[in-house]
Amino acid sequence: QVQVVESGGGVVQPGMSLRLSCAPSGFSFSSSRIHWVRQAPGKGLEWVAVISEDGSAKYYADSVKGRISISRDTSNNTVSLQMTSLRPDDTAVYYCARGIAGSRLDNWGQGTLVTVSS
Amino acid sequence: DIQMTQSPSSLSASVGDRVTITCRASQNIMTYLNWYQQKPGKAPKLLIYTTSTLQSGVPSRFSGSGSGTEFTLTISSLQPEDFATYYCQQGYSTWFTFGPGTKVDIK
Repeated sequence: QVQVVESGGGVVQPGMSLRLSCAPSGFSFSSSRIHWVRQAPGKGLEWVAVISEDGSAKYYADSVKGRISISRDTSNNTVSLQMTSLRPDDTAVYYCARGIAGSRLDNWGQGTLVTVSS
Repeated sequence: DIQMTQSPSSLSASVGDRVTITCRASQNIMTYLNWYQQKPGKAPKLLIYTTSTLQSGVPSRFSGSGSGTEFTLTISSLQPEDFATYYCQQGYSTWFTFGPGTKVDIK
């Protein structure tokens, strides 16, 4: 069964850092793009970042560029989202999702909540 | 960035109604348009991809059409489990963008 599971969310103060992890299972991790999408409380979906199958290409939304970094750890079979200089408007549920055929997200995790508050 | 809009932002409908949601892109995205359904507290679920292809397991009452900049999602006969928020998403650009969502609730 294809699954992705996120972890690492929590409550942090503004300006702090946090690292989220995504652990795929049931599919070939190395042949899939992995995306992060977030959803602020009561708001819509916002695409955040994507990493290519081999980790050589990474793309970010303008709203997070320079503060967020996506990476792959092939030894642990995980994708991470390193977030720095966190702001209150980064508060959201962060979803990890598998990208298929370069254009759609067919399997999503349950999400991990990040709360940025003093 | 490619901007996505949806209309209406919300609608009230009854079981058995035919429901249509429109999604527009700020530039030509060919048929790289996907639809997701999200229920409260749950992750989004892929319903339709590349404009009109149903994801495995999705009931045939859902359908999609369009091309270029204008797309529609139709639910032919609304069922109780269809009350949810629906999002369109363009996959033409590497930088995906979502529409703001359409909430479908019970009349």
